[in-house]
Amino acid sequence: GNSVTQMEGPVTLSEEAFLTINCTYTATGYPSLFWYVQYPGEGLQLLLKATKADDKGSNKGFEATYRKETTSFHLEKGSVQVSDSAVYFCALRSYNTDKLIFGTGTRLQVFP
Amino acid sequence: EAQVTQNPRYLITVTGKKLTVTCSQNMNHEYMSWYRQDPGLGLRQIYYSMNVEVTDKGDVPEGYKVSRKEKRNFPLILESPSPNQTSLYFCASSLGSSGRIGELFFGEGSRLTVL
Repeated sequence: GNSVTQMEGPVTLSEEAFLTINCTYTATGYPSLFWYVQYPGEGLQLLLKATKADDKGSNKGFEATYRKETTSFHLEKGSVQVSDSAVYFCALRSYNTDKLIFGTGTRLQVFP
Repeated sequence: EAQVTQNPRYLITVTGKKLTVTCSQNMNHEYMSWYRQDPGLGLRQIYYSMNVEVTDKGDVPEGYKVSRKEKRNFPLILESPSPNQTSLYFCASSLGSSGRIGELFFGEGSRLTVL
């Protein structure tokens, strides 16, 4: 079946450090891939998405590239801020279903 | 303001006492869904609805009911809550068309404790 695997957290970084959060997936066909962010006490918000291989999603300085050959969609940011502290969820939607499958989430903590 | 509104935000109840968590969206979205979030398990889908009067089970539907009588509302019903339903619940909606189901708008969450 379809699934998403994320690196376990928490990821702890100093401000201005480089961020990578790994995400790999298992799916038939060509899924759409998403990153959602959950700030403390809030619901999830869509951060970025990619719908086909080699697409790069980007938003708020975050980027992720849809790599079909490695079935990955790693989230990156060149210089994190304290305000980026949140839980990040990778997700996929298979081309033939109405379901969005989430990973378990990765907590990011950024210290000044 | 476009939003998904859930109520109550916090609730403590006892085993067996029926409760309803309401969800309403003002974006005219066709697709609505309920998730529960538990530590180490991420988000798991309980039920979803593609449109009015159309509902389907997600991955963990046991112990829950839903209804979709109007486009904007999608209440989650726990007929006889049990302690294993203690969780953080999220309602979400999406346009649901042209492959945009993945672009979900979430409510702020309802934290439920069943004693």
